[in-house]
Amino acid sequence: NAGVMQNPRHLVRRRGQEARLRCSPMKGHSHVYWYRQLPEEGLKFMVYLQKENIIDESGMPKERFSAEFPKEGPSILRIQQVVRGDSAAYFCASSPNPTTGAFFGQGTRLTVV
Amino acid sequence: GQQVMQIPQYQHVQEGEDFTTYCNSSTTLSNIQWYKQRPGGHPVFLIQLVKSGEVKKQKRLTFQFGEAKKNSSLHITATQTTDVGTYFCAGRENSGGSNYKLTFGKGTLLTVNP
Repeated sequence: NAGVMQNPRHLVRRRGQEARLRCSPMKGHSHVYWYRQLPEEGLKFMVYLQKENIIDESGMPKERFSAEFPKEGPSILRIQQVVRGDSAAYFCASSPNPTTGAFFGQGTRLTVV
Repeated sequence: GQQVMQIPQYQHVQEGEDFTTYCNSSTTLSNIQWYKQRPGGHPVFLIQLVKSGEVKKQKRLTFQFGEAKKNSSLHITATQTTDVGTYFCAGRENSGGSNYKLTFGKGTLLTVNP
């Protein structure tokens, strides 16, 4: 039973480009969460999705950021027109239901140059 | 909004010493979770506490949830070098609605001198 799979592990983008981060939850998990982490900081909630639905996107900037979790395929976190301040580690987590502990992927380290 | 504060930010101990990290929420929580993140790694779920005053043990780790469900602690007895990492608490607000967002503390970085 594979864990939460994120790819790519490392992503370098120039300012103004788009970044696409993918997350395949654990088998049987239909709840996906995206978090952002800056060095020596905690995890900041961005968005919570259930299959085909965004449940809570209160932590995600309204502009340039979007997330989806389609019926088929991985969850995608998309950052358009990246800026240097978007550089961070982005973690995806999944759970079988919203009240239990979450299992994290290994993260995508985004660097904007 | 909900805030979760953790202290201390850093803790350095000699191997064999005990370690405790504390977590305080600005609001009452429905549950609290603890995670461990090794340097360069990803958070790993340790445990969830749900009941007021709950105490759970995992080998040398003891987790407590306060009576008011606003604070929690993690205590490690006789630390080992394998305990090195950042320990995060994460609280889920008791909003009664569909708020399943976990708010993380900033974590306590534990280093152990062998």
